[in-house]
Amino acid sequence: SYVLTQPPSVSVAPGKTARITCGGDNIGNKSVHWYQQKAGQAPVLVIYYDLDRPSGIPERFSGSNSGNTATLTISRVEAGDEADYYCQVWDSSSDPVLFGGGTKLTVL
Amino acid sequence: QVQLVESGGGLVKPGGSLRLSCAASGFIFSGYYMTWIRQAPGKDLEWVSYISSSGDIIYYADSVKGRFTISRDNAENSLFLQINSLRAEDTAVYFCARALGYYDSSGFYQQHYFDSWGQGTLVTVSS
Repeated sequence: SYVLTQPPSVSVAPGKTARITCGGDNIGNKSVHWYQQKAGQAPVLVIYYDLDRPSGIPERFSGSNSGNTATLTISRVEAGDEADYYCQVWDSSSDPVLFGGGTKLTVL
Repeated sequence: QVQLVESGGGLVKPGGSLRLSCAASGFIFSGYYMTWIRQAPGKDLEWVSYISSSGDIIYYADSVKGRFTISRDNAENSLFLQINSLRAEDTAVYFCARALGYYDSSGFYQQHYFDSWGQGTLVTVSS
């Protein structure tokens, strides 16, 4: 079955740029969606179809997807961005909805 | 605004059953696919099941197939998950979420992603 690989953690200083990756075999051929989950809360969609932002999500959040890696980029990181981030794809296999293992973003 | 409120979680012994509910409001419930996603304590997200807008198309994760049953009542704007033969590894927060995607050339609704989530209900399986 298809596997999504995320780094367990990423740390960044306030005001800098955070890049969270999601690796998968030819993931560039799939649509990738990203969710932010703050401690004790439900996930929130921040990027869909690789690079689209839902209404209400700051422009600081952007996405890209090519080759074997999809990337969520958070510019001008703020303390409030500290959260777990999950990538998700649809796969034509036994379990069609797959999530990555999540990346904990720490704002230093 | 879209609101999803889960209920029905609790402490149950191994082998027991529970029925989870998700009350939807703020959108035309009958027009959307819905899904259940769970998260074990300190773990990542795991998709459980989805159901089509009319209820005639249903899929389950292999890990729950044969034990869990998803259903919906569009007249009551409600989504359900009947969970039977519970195991310790089913301990998790169960979220309901609204699914978006598109129809492919064969009419299959695919490429689901989830734009609205409830706050979740905790299911604990322990003796």
